Amino acid sequence: GENVEQHPSTLSVQEGDSAVIKCTYSDSASNYFPWYKQELGKRPQLIIDIRSNVGEKKDQRIAVTLNKTAKHFSLHITETQPEDSAVYFCAAIKPFGNEKLTFGTGTRLTIIP
Amino acid sequence: DTGVSQNPRHKITKRGQNVTFRCDPISEHNRLYWYRQTLGQGPEFLTYFQNEAQLEKSRLLSDRFSAERPKGSFSTLEIQRTEQGDSAMYLCASSFEGHGRNQPQHFGDGTRLSIL
Repeated sequence: GENVEQHPSTLSVQEGDSAVIKCTYSDSASNYFPWYKQELGKRPQLIIDIRSNVGEKKDQRIAVTLNKTAKHFSLHITETQPEDSAVYFCAAIKPFGNEKLTFGTGTRLTIIP
Repeated sequence: DTGVSQNPRHKITKRGQNVTFRCDPISEHNRLYWYRQTLGQGPEFLTYFQNEAQLEKSRLLSDRFSAERPKGSFSTLEIQRTEQGDSAMYLCASSFEGHGRNQPQHFGDGTRLSIL
């Protein structure tokens, strides 16, 4: 089955700096890669996603890049703010019948004011 | 609030008891998923429904677990003879399947189960 690895497990950055979280996946058939933000005691919230037919997607301060050949994708947050502090999860999913999201182990991001 | 709704939010029970959780998906979402999340880990897939049909079950879903979605709307997850290892956050998600493409899954706030 699919295996998703995520690094780093914890990340602290100064407010205003950029943060990068990286994930690798094992199954080349995976074609959809969402990122979720989870604050303590709250639901995982979808913040951005990318499909395998594009290499990059951006939404304001958040961007995701995908390298299909290397089977890795990354989340980039620019101009970080205290409210960006949370646990971030990457995930991967395969098409056509296997509908489960396989999640990474999460990155705890702390923004230092 | 038209998001995914789960109840109860918290459930504390003694080992050996049965528990049932409910999930109300986003209206008109035809897919509903159950995941389990333990502390410090990402959610792990348990099972999913397309309308009322349960189409896939994880090996994590032992025979003590059963899930239903009788009318293709809300779903219930029941755990019989609970064990200490069942303590976790149980998350429900829903999505709309259409045009053959994976669609975003939206999560509820979860039910936190604690086994005494």
